[in-house]
Amino acid sequence: QKEVEQNSGPLSVPEGAIASLNCTYSDRGSQSFFWYRQYSGKSPELIMFIYSNGDKEDGRFTAQLNKASQYVSLLIRDSQPSDSATYLCAVSGPNRDDKIIFGKGTRLHILP
Amino acid sequence: DVKVTQSSRYLVKRTGEKVFLECVQDMDHENMFWYRQDPGLGLRLIYFSYDVKMKEKGDIPEGYSVSREKKERFSLILESASTNQTSMYLCASSLDYNEQFFGPGTRLTVL
Repeated sequence: QKEVEQNSGPLSVPEGAIASLNCTYSDRGSQSFFWYRQYSGKSPELIMFIYSNGDKEDGRFTAQLNKASQYVSLLIRDSQPSDSATYLCAVSGPNRDDKIIFGKGTRLHILP
Repeated sequence: DVKVTQSSRYLVKRTGEKVFLECVQDMDHENMFWYRQDPGLGLRLIYFSYDVKMKEKGDIPEGYSVSREKKERFSLILESASTNQTSMYLCASSLDYNEQFFGPGTRLTVL
């Protein structure tokens, strides 16, 4: 059973600080990694994806991937109250038939 | 931008009714998905389709069926709604099998 694990939170971070969200996955053959943001009552929105080891930066967001440790993280710099949401980690394998596996999400609360 | 639309934001049905949830995407995506999302259980895949008239069971297909007669439209059918099918239903589409784009969701309540 392929699994994606996230701490459910809530993770409380002061405004302006760095929020660090973590995700581990069980399938060593996983190739694609995604972070979705979901506001309460809304649908998930794709904010980052990463395919290779290392860091990928997009504005205030940085995704970090360590395949050897089967670990992916999302850093949010200069956290804003509008970043308060649930963040879903999702993982997929290399083949067309590989389904995306979603974690249950981490609730992030930015304290004004 | 990719646009995925769902026929209703909120829906209230009675036990035993047949329920149709419609999803339409406007980006010519091959792959479409239906999920349900419940507190504490996360997103669970019900059915998916990677081509017209093709369908594959996801993790929780029991009590559901789907139809994909046109590339842009993917319908989820609850043949006989039950109270345990009260949930948020999310449709998604993707060009390849990875980056999925979600519709706004339908919150279904079965009384």
